[in-house]
Order: sequence, then C-alpha cells, then structure tokens
Amino acid sequence: ILNVEQSPQSLHVQEGDSTNFTCSFPSSNFYALHWYRWETAKSPEALFVMTLNGDEKKKGRISATLNTKEGYSYLYIKGSQPEDSATYLCAFMGSGNTGKLIFGQGTTLQVKP
Amino acid sequence: KAGVTQTPRYLIKTRGQQVTLSCSPISGHRSVSWYQQTPGQGLQFLFEYFSETQRNKGNFPGRFSGRQFSNSRSEMNVSTLELGDSALYLCASSRQRGETQYFGPGTRLLVL
Repeated sequence: ILNVEQSPQSLHVQEGDSTNFTCSFPSSNFYALHWYRWETAKSPEALFVMTLNGDEKKKGRISATLNTKEGYSYLYIKGSQPEDSATYLCAFMGSGNTGKLIFGQGTTLQVKP
Repeated sequence: KAGVTQTPRYLIKTRGQQVTLSCSPISGHRSVSWYQQTPGQGLQFLFEYFSETQRNKGNFPGRFSGRQFSNSRSEMNVSTLELGDSALYLCASSRQRGETQYFGPGTRLLVL
C-alpha cells in the first residue's frame, strides 16, 4: 500500500511569518508529485507539478522543492498572509499509474492577522 | 475557458438507492479522474477514464462504477447506497494522462 505522509497536520502562524510543510512519498516508481491548495467551500487549486529530482518551483510567495531519491518535498510560504489560510495537499503519481493521485492527509494552515 | 463542472452539487438519498453523478471536463481535456473525500479518509482515488476506457481503479467495491462518453464527459454510479458512502465526490480533468488535474466543485452526497 503506497503511503503519502504530510507534516505537520496543522499550523497556526502570524501574518508575515514564513512557514514550510513536508510531504513524504515512496521513492520508487516515481512519476510526479503534485501540490494543491484547498480553501473551504472551493475546489482544490493546483499549485505545482514536480517531476525531476532537484526540481524547484515558485509561484509568488510560494515555492516547493523535490527530492525523489529520498522521497520528500517541501512547500515554503514566505511572508504568510491571511488569504494563505487553507489546507495544502500533496499527491504522489506513480509511473504506470498516471492519472491516479495518491493524496496525503494535508496540512491545514491558519494565518492570523 | 470554463472549468470542470459537476452535477448535481448536493444530493440526499436513502440506503439501498442508487445514484449517478456527472462530470463535464474542461474543453479539450481527455482524462477524467474521480475521488471521494471523507473526514476520516481524506481524498481517495476512485477511478480514471481516458478515451472512454477505464485506465485505473481504486480500492472500492464493485458498487462504484463509472463511464466516459465520446465527448469526455464522465458519470459515476453508486448502487445499493450505504451510510458510509456519504461523502464529497470530486472529479478532476487533465489534458493528457499524467498532467495537472483540475478539480470541479464536487457533489456532496448524504445517505440517510
């Protein structure tokens, strides 16, 4: 059974703080690692798709890194804002099973003004 | 470009009934995947369709089935509903298999 783990489960930070989350995934049969942001009452929003070891992606104040050899990815948010409050999900896609995302349980971030 | 649409948005059924949910992908997207979200289990993969063929299936009983039409629209069906089937059902579409999946708003199903 493939396991995708995310930590921490939840996080409360002050506006302006920088923060980071971890996603652990199987290091074998890797195809891609997806990151999503899911705000309450909305659809999950795609942030990044990471495919190469050492990949780094950036979108505004959010960035992500990937280590496929050891099976982990970090998501960083610089200068958190209240609108960053959401659940951040990572999802593993294995080779031979493209089209199937295996999600972690998510990290719920709350940013206090 | 219109996003992924799902109908209906909310549904209440009783145990033993069956239900059909519909998903219209983004125009030009050929792959549709379905997921179930429950508080205890998180997002779980149900199945994936591409070119009208089921390509992947998750670990769900045979009561859960689906299909995809030639215009890439997809439906999923759950027969003999159980209380535990109460969940948010999300579909996601991608242009090709393995690419970014874009999610719809979901159908919230309540089984009484």
